[in-house]
Amino acid sequence: NAGVTQTPKFQVLKTGQSMTLQCAQDMNHEYMSWYRQDPGMGLRLIHYSVGAGITDQGEVPNGYNVSRSTTEDFPLRLLSAAPSQTSVYFCASRTLRGTNEKLFFGSGTQLSVL
Amino acid sequence: GESVGLHLPTLSVQEGDNSIINCAYSNSASDYFIWYKQESGKGPQFIIDIRSNMDKRQGQRVTVLLNKTVKHLSLQIAATQPGDSAVYFCAELPGAGSYQLTFGKGTKLSVIP
Repeated sequence: NAGVTQTPKFQVLKTGQSMTLQCAQDMNHEYMSWYRQDPGMGLRLIHYSVGAGITDQGEVPNGYNVSRSTTEDFPLRLLSAAPSQTSVYFCASRTLRGTNEKLFFGSGTQLSVL
Repeated sequence: GESVGLHLPTLSVQEGDNSIINCAYSNSASDYFIWYKQESGKGPQFIIDIRSNMDKRQGQRVTVLLNKTVKHLSLQIAATQPGDSAVYFCAELPGAGSYQLTFGKGTKLSVIP
């Protein structure tokens, strides 16, 4: 049981490049989400999904796209990277069944945009 | 407590002492609260949670206290160890049917050996 797995762990991009951050979970969680973490800003929600085929915007969605074709995977796409997207990105998931609201996090992707 | 601006508040404690980390939450309708620990270079890890119908909950060396009157949450760590050095976040779930946690900005705990 690996939990939430994120790849890559580190990435450097040039302004204007595109890339996809991968996230996979093996806990059969309905809910998956992406956060960015910046110094002094805490964790801010980018996009989330409550099931395959369903996605929605969080607090800071601009510049990012997501899709949820399977329960396990929730990739985050940067179509044209900007220096303002330099951050640490975390994927998190939880079940929506029962009363367990605990959110499980991946180990993060540190992204630098030059 | 939680930070305003770019710098995290820091709590420095001597190894073996007890630590108290505070958090003020914003939504009086929030009915679930959770504490996370984040070590350098890692993702947040669950420590303990509490529902709004409780005032106190204890885990192994950790206790969470909830004061709904003043919208205040605290995390107490007993006999603090060097491995407890990390950033601690509180988060709230605003009401029944919601699944979006709102996170505080964190407090950095440094344990002095």
